Amino acid sequence: QSVLTQPPSASGTPGQRVTITCSGTSANIDVYWYQQLPGTAPKLLLFRNDQRPSGVPDRFSGSKSGTSASLAISGLRSEDEADYYCASWADKLSVVFGGGTKVTVL
Amino acid sequence: QVHLVQSAAEVKKPGASVQLSCKASGYTFTNYFLHWVRQAPGQGLEWMAIVNPSDGSTSYAQKFQGRVTMTSDTSTSTIYMELSSLRSEDTAVYYCAREERFLEWTTYRYNGMDVWGQGTTVTVSS
Repeated sequence: QSVLTQPPSASGTPGQRVTITCSGTSANIDVYWYQQLPGTAPKLLLFRNDQRPSGVPDRFSGSKSGTSASLAISGLRSEDEADYYCASWADKLSVVFGGGTKVTVL
Repeated sequence: QVHLVQSAAEVKKPGASVQLSCKASGYTFTNYFLHWVRQAPGQGLEWMAIVNPSDGSTSYAQKFQGRVTMTSDTSTSTIYMELSSLRSEDTAVYYCAREERFLEWTTYRYNGMDVWGQGTTVTVSS
């Protein structure tokens, strides 16, 4: 079972760019990112490393290189304050989530 | 519109079992995998299980092997998860979520958990 490691917290002021890393990914396995606003169900933010679902602003972008993936939020806004989780498929049709990163807008 | 509607909150005693349901609507039930993901109070997301409704095949996180059973009913587009031998650490919000798989050349790829249920709170307390 793989382990995905994220920093527990990240912060920035409005308009800044914030980057969250997710390490421990497999080199040939896609990474997914979820946003969870307080008190709500998670929402798919990025799929297959860098693809945005319809309705997700292009302020959110993703990348992956080797065993590490990143989520970048540019033009940080107050409504981006949330928990962010990376995830990937692991052995035998299972999924693993990272520990989550709490983003604070200062 | 696509919806996943989950069953109501449950309160259980330690050692008991709980069965949760998740009813899908607005899409072809058998075209998407369905996951169960849980979140303990103040904690992160934890993947538990997956079912392929097209053939009923399942896969469980090692942590829950032997305690969890996931089933699907194509006649009602509903999935169920039973978790047994409950303990206080199982107190959490349980979510169902769907995910599409497709074949790209010879490799399966996935489109992420794009629709989530509203969550079901399970409280385990004596």
